[in-house]
Amino acid sequence: DARVTQTPRHKVTEMGQEVTMRCQPILGHNTVFWYRQTMMQGLELLAYFRNRAPLDDSGMPKDRFSAEMPDATLATLKIQPSEPRDSAVYFCASVQGAGNRGELFFGEGSRLTVL
Amino acid sequence: SQKIEQNSEALNIQEGKTATLTCNYTNYSPAYLQWYRQDPGRGPVFLLLIRENEKEKRKERLKVTFDTTLKQSLFHITASQPADSATYLCALGADGGSQGNLIFGKGTKLSVKP
Repeated sequence: DARVTQTPRHKVTEMGQEVTMRCQPILGHNTVFWYRQTMMQGLELLAYFRNRAPLDDSGMPKDRFSAEMPDATLATLKIQPSEPRDSAVYFCASVQGAGNRGELFFGEGSRLTVL
Repeated sequence: SQKIEQNSEALNIQEGKTATLTCNYTNYSPAYLQWYRQDPGRGPVFLLLIRENEKEKRKERLKVTFDTTLKQSLFHITASQPADSATYLCALGADGGSQGNLIFGKGTKLSVKP
């Protein structure tokens, strides 16, 4: 049963610490998204990649957030330094093909709490 | 700026009734619209997709309509069951350079009481 895998599922850290979240997309999916979900804002797109190349990261605070795809099986989202306002659930999603209208497959999310 | 509104944060209905959820949008011309279900502590799960040239789409007890004139989609669950209780998200997508980039509403939390 193919699925998107995210680690860690939960992370509690102190303000100023570095946080790295990882995502393994479904094998064969060439487009990978990072979303952030909060009660106030809902699901917000942070960045996405196609064939490992970043296509859009305009939703991401550039000074502290960075997203990469070191290879086709791993996407990372890093926050350095973290702040309490970064507390949220971060979702990774993947989809097959370029530019199709197909469904996004979401991981179970990484719940981040910054104290 | 683009805006998506889902009619209410919460909707409570009795088992067996039809649940109707609304998704309205402004300042956007989507090529398609998707509906997702999200359970607590889980990621969203895709339910249905409807294209701009389609008026209605059905899947088992689910029905989605898409009115590009009203800029509105309606999502119906007939013969609702307590297991249908979840948050439902609508998402708009555009073709072209931002293919695959969906904009999500904040969701409507549906509770079906036995």
